[in-house]
Amino acid sequence: QSVLTQPPSASGTPGQRVAISCSGSSSNIGSNYVYWYQQLPGAAPKPLLLRNNQRPSGVPDRFSGSKSGTSAALAISGLRSEDEADYYCAAWDDSLNGYVFGTGTKVLVL
Amino acid sequence: EVQLLESEGGLVQPGGSLRLSCVVSGFTFIRHGMSWVRQAPGKGLEWVAGITGSGDDTYYADPVKGRFTISRDNSENTLFLHMNSLSAEDTALYYCAKMKSVMATATFFEDWGQGTLVSVSS
Repeated sequence: QSVLTQPPSASGTPGQRVAISCSGSSSNIGSNYVYWYQQLPGAAPKPLLLRNNQRPSGVPDRFSGSKSGTSAALAISGLRSEDEADYYCAAWDDSLNGYVFGTGTKVLVL
Repeated sequence: EVQLLESEGGLVQPGGSLRLSCVVSGFTFIRHGMSWVRQAPGKGLEWVAGITGSGDDTYYADPVKGRFTISRDNSENTLFLHMNSLSAEDTALYYCAKMKSVMATATFFEDWGQGTLVSVSS
């Protein structure tokens, strides 16, 4: 059961910018950090953005994150074919006392 | 190099039980909280359970509370998930994940195993 809502899909041509929203509530995004995970086809997820907008080592600066109130967003600029993947937001939820993931967004590079 | 190797899952009948294990290497196990995350076929990610580095504290998602138990053996660098009263809704790829810190809460899933498939069907 996902309590964070994302659009099912997003797409763009190479070089374009795509943005993915993540909508939550005061008990999760509103009071905790948001993390983003990238899941390439057939692979395990891996962390993409930490603490709302920090990139782990090795993640290109084409990926950026933001958070405002109970929503967050992931932006991919300069879209590349290797960015085709599923993207999930996640946060700790103080009410559920557990982690919640977003519904996931499939990014297609046209 | 961090490695997380889940045991083979399998086919289980509804109402049955199964124990998953995850043997880790490449880091100091006791210094990291651990979690299990699952993904039903063609669906999104769902956190299942978490445990602190010491094993003293555990956390569960509502759908598995009372049926699943997460535990760890720090002397054997192994994480476990005991699953009881399984139903078709538990069919998923189960990932073992290493947390960034010793805590199991309010941090992130830093490293992931490749997952093991659990199918519940008669």
